[in-house]
Amino acid sequence: AQKVTQAQTEISVVEKEDVTLDCVYETRDTTYYLFWYKQPPSGELVFLIRRNSFDEQNEISGRYSWNFQKSTSSFNFTITASQVVDSAVYFCALSEAGYSTLTFGKGTMLLVSP
Amino acid sequence: KAGVTQTPRYLIKTRGQQVTLSCSPISGHRSVSWYQQTPGQGLQFLFEYFSETQRNKGNFPGRFSGRQFSNSRSEMNVSTLELGDSALYLCASSLRQGGETQYFGPGTRLLVL
Repeated sequence: AQKVTQAQTEISVVEKEDVTLDCVYETRDTTYYLFWYKQPPSGELVFLIRRNSFDEQNEISGRYSWNFQKSTSSFNFTITASQVVDSAVYFCALSEAGYSTLTFGKGTMLLVSP
Repeated sequence: KAGVTQTPRYLIKTRGQQVTLSCSPISGHRSVSWYQQTPGQGLQFLFEYFSETQRNKGNFPGRFSGRQFSNSRSEMNVSTLELGDSALYLCASSLRQGGETQYFGPGTRLLVL
């Protein structure tokens, strides 16, 4: 069975601070996919990134960066110079090959204050 | 390209009633999945449909059912509603099965009184 753990329930930072959201996953598959989604107060899940298990290259997109480490089964997400608009709940998710089914972590609520 | 649309956006029902929620995927997407989100249980997978066939089902009672039509639109039905069914129901679509990015709709907020 697959599992995703986001140990941080809530994080509060002040604008312009850097913040890292942790994600640890469990799966028996060798081929799998990892995702991060953002859920603002409106409720819609917004896709941020997708990574397959064979691509451990870190990725940077503007102020966002992701660190994928298979050795520790982690897929952490860093926001550099956080902004108030980054306030949301962030979910890490996993899917196994052959299925679209996403297994989500419990989410981390990020509060960025001015 | 239009995103995933869900109707209705809000719904209030009473215990024992049934409800049908609708989801229109992004044009060209053939896979549709449904998720239930509650404060206590978080995001939980309900069903996955591809080419009008249910490909996977989550751990929910038989009161929860769904279907997909030939145009990839999907509906889910919940019969004999219980208070615990109050939740945000999210639909997601992807091009194909198996690891593709799922794009989510705005959700339907169901309140059962």
